Amino acid sequence: GAGVSQSPSNKVTEKGKDVELRCDPISGHTALYWYRQRLGQGLEFLIYFQGNSAPDKSGLPSDRFSAERTGESVSTLTIQRTQQEDSAVYLCASSSPGRATQYFGPGTRLLVL
Amino acid sequence: GIQVEQSPPDLILQEGANSTLRCNFSDSVNNLQWFHQNPWGQLINLFYIPSGTKQNGRLSATTVATERYSLLYISSSQTTDSGVYFCAVGGFSGGYNKLIFGAGTRLAVHP
Repeated sequence: GAGVSQSPSNKVTEKGKDVELRCDPISGHTALYWYRQRLGQGLEFLIYFQGNSAPDKSGLPSDRFSAERTGESVSTLTIQRTQQEDSAVYLCASSSPGRATQYFGPGTRLLVL
Repeated sequence: GIQVEQSPPDLILQEGANSTLRCNFSDSVNNLQWFHQNPWGQLINLFYIPSGTKQNGRLSATTVATERYSLLYISSSQTTDSGVYFCAVGGFSGGYNKLIFGAGTRLAVHP
């Protein structure tokens, strides 16, 4: 079946502009995660959605970052007033009910000039 | 929070060689996963292994939760095994699903 999809695959923006990144999880997966990966580094947890529960936002680095999820489907990660240090790959993952294994999308490569 | 250390940071192998990658973590965990990130950036889940031993083809993994480490074994390596291997953990205190990633082991397999 279809995996996790993300769009756009690449995004170049100017410092100070807002960007929206989209994630479509695997159908039926109730949990959705966002991570950030800076060049040559490991992944940093950003936010986690589980069904209708309140999201775990403990990894969001600043109030410029926010995320929403509509039910158990699409999620958008919004970065306001982008800064050069926001340049990274933003990865989305999902997992099925009661299972821990996370399945990752291909990521969105964000470059802030 | 939980600290995750992976070793070695870099590894170069000839095709056909075996290798062992290590992941140490600083606190009790109830979620541990190994991932492979290929040269194009795609992350593939290899194992969910909070304890015990699992095998999948040429790959196997062992986690000794009481001693806070996990090992990933790659046997008869192939060039397609190249990439970065990440260990990620979720703990009782930090949250089961909130995975904390190590810095990874970068593997290059040469023909």
